[in-house]
Amino acid sequence: DIQMTQSPSTLSASVGDRVTITCRASQSISDWLAWYQQKPGKAPKLLIYRAYGLESGVPSRFSGGGSGTEFTLTISSLQPDDFATYYCQQFQTFPWTFGQGTKVEIK
Amino acid sequence: QVQLAQSGAEVKEPGASVKISCKASGFTLSSFHMQWVRQAPGQGLEWMGVVNPIGYNTSDGQKFQGRVTMTSDTSTNTVYIELRSLRSDDSAIYYCARAVPGSGGFDCWGRGTLVTVSS
Repeated sequence: DIQMTQSPSTLSASVGDRVTITCRASQSISDWLAWYQQKPGKAPKLLIYRAYGLESGVPSRFSGGGSGTEFTLTISSLQPDDFATYYCQQFQTFPWTFGQGTKVEIK
Repeated sequence: QVQLAQSGAEVKEPGASVKISCKASGFTLSSFHMQWVRQAPGQGLEWMGVVNPIGYNTSDGQKFQGRVTMTSDTSTNTVYIELRSLRSDDSAIYYCARAVPGSGGFDCWGRGTLVTVSS
């Protein structure tokens, strides 16, 4: 199985901060990676597809990058609505594994 | 309106089976990948399996050791997941989600079905 490792596990930041979350794959997954946001009691929400494609309706402060084994999700200016947990998911090989999540907390 | 409506919460005893439904509206299931993901209390997302547009399904056999069956009913636009020989660590919220094949992301999710396994 491909292991997906996110860092950090928890991130404390303030409104207006630039925030970057990293997701590393244990082997190359090309650009077969998505990013999701999840808030407590809610289903995940797709933010980024195919590593850098911005899902329709998602604010442009979110951006994705990377390919191969290292990927990033960047929030250019953190907003109050962005405090949540973020997950990456790979689609290169079954099983389509998730990272363990990164919780973005208010500093 | 595109949405996925999942069946209601279930309480099961250890060793029992549970079958969860996910009914699609606003689109046709047979054009999409449909995945199942679960989340234990306070934990992360765990991939369970996917049904592709032609009905072929792949599950995480190593993790679930043949306990999972995923099916789809095109006549009712509904997908199902059945988990057998339930254990306490199967207690979780179970989500279905759809993706356009090749899109690299699941863009519509059900609200989740809570399954509690307890004697």
